[in-house]
Parts: sequence; structure tokens; C-alpha cells
Amino acid sequence: NAGVTQTPKFQVLKTGQSMTLQCAQDMNHEYMSWYRQDPGMGLRLIHYSVGAGITDQGEVPNGYNVSRSTTEDFPLRLLSAAPSQTSVYFCASSRLSTNFMYEQYFGPGTRLTVT
Amino acid sequence: GENVEQHPSTLSVQEGDSAVIKCTYSDSASNYFPWYKQELGKRPQLIIDIRSNVGEKKDQRIAVTLNKTAKHFSLHITETQPEDSAVYFCAASMKNTGFQKLVFGTGTRLLVSP
Repeated sequence: NAGVTQTPKFQVLKTGQSMTLQCAQDMNHEYMSWYRQDPGMGLRLIHYSVGAGITDQGEVPNGYNVSRSTTEDFPLRLLSAAPSQTSVYFCASSRLSTNFMYEQYFGPGTRLTVT
Repeated sequence: GENVEQHPSTLSVQEGDSAVIKCTYSDSASNYFPWYKQELGKRPQLIIDIRSNVGEKKDQRIAVTLNKTAKHFSLHITETQPEDSAVYFCAASMKNTGFQKLVFGTGTRLLVSP
């Protein structure tokens, strides 16, 4: 299993450009989510999905869209990039662990710079 | 909503010493507390977790303790090794409509010197 994969690894955008960060998992996990990681702020939840066709907002959703057409894929779209969106983005998928909580597996991350 | 505070922000120890990282949370409904380790340039990886009905959990050199009354939980690493050097994040969550929304602390950079 490849686990959780993300593309691209690095991306530079100009202000106002749009792009899609790709995330895929091959573990048949029900739940998927997107986080951003900024220095000194830990990871913050952007959007999440509890299954194909179902998405919801997290802590910092503004400026981002998601969709979940298949169990495997959960792309994150930046509609009009802003310098404040410069960050490292992590996708995660979740499975029910032996203690009946959902253990999250993170992808390798995408480092995005908006100039 | 939930708020998680983590201390210290940096921690330097000598190899073989113990390290303790502390987190407090605000929402008494939170019921799951994982700890993640993140090496430089890598993804966060789950190292240990605890549910709210358990006071302590151990896995070899690492342990987590939870005090629900005081709303704080701690990560304990014994016999530290240089490979323990990383950033450690605590998190708290409440299961909401089946999904576990994690709220993370701001991280502790642990440096273990040989």
C-alpha cells in the first residue's frame, strides 16, 4: 500500500492564481481531511469528509474548496491564492483503531508559497 | 470550541534523561488525546494515544497520562535517545457525527544531545 499520497510536493503561486492540491489514499479509509501547518501554530483543520459525497468545514475553511467524488481521492482547491495561504498542507485519512477512535494517517505534505 | 495549549515550546535534554511535555485542553467533552511526532521535513506520525476513560498508557519508553479533572495530559519519554529529537504535537478531539476533529497544540521541539 502507498498509504496517503499528495501531489505536488512543492508549489509556487502568484497572488490570485488558482490550483488544486491532490490527495489520494489506498487504504479504503472512510474519513479524509486537510490540515495546514504554519510555524508556531501547529496543524489546523481546513475541511474534512466522512465519505464520498459528504464534506464539511473545519477550523479555517475560508479560501478553500473540497469535494469527495470517490473514497480514494480528496482534492483541495485554492480559489484565488493569497500570501496568507503560504503554508505546508497535509492530507490525512482515518481508520477506526483498536480503541474505537479514529487513527489518522498523514500524507507527506505539500509546501505552498504564494508570492 | 476546543483550545489546546502545549508547554514547553522547546526542550533540551541529555541522552538518557527523561522528557515531559504538557498540554491542557478547554472542552470537558473531549475524549481522545493523541500525540504525534514530526521529524524535520516529514509528516506527523502517531506515537501514542489515550481515551478519556483511561488515566495512563505506556508503550515501551513513552507514556501518556491524563487528568480529566484538571483537563491536562502529558507525554513522558524515558531514557531519551538522539533519534527522539523532533517536534511533538499533542491534540484533543471530540467525536462529532463520527468524525474525530483534532485540535492540535502548537508543538514542542525536543532536542536530545548525545
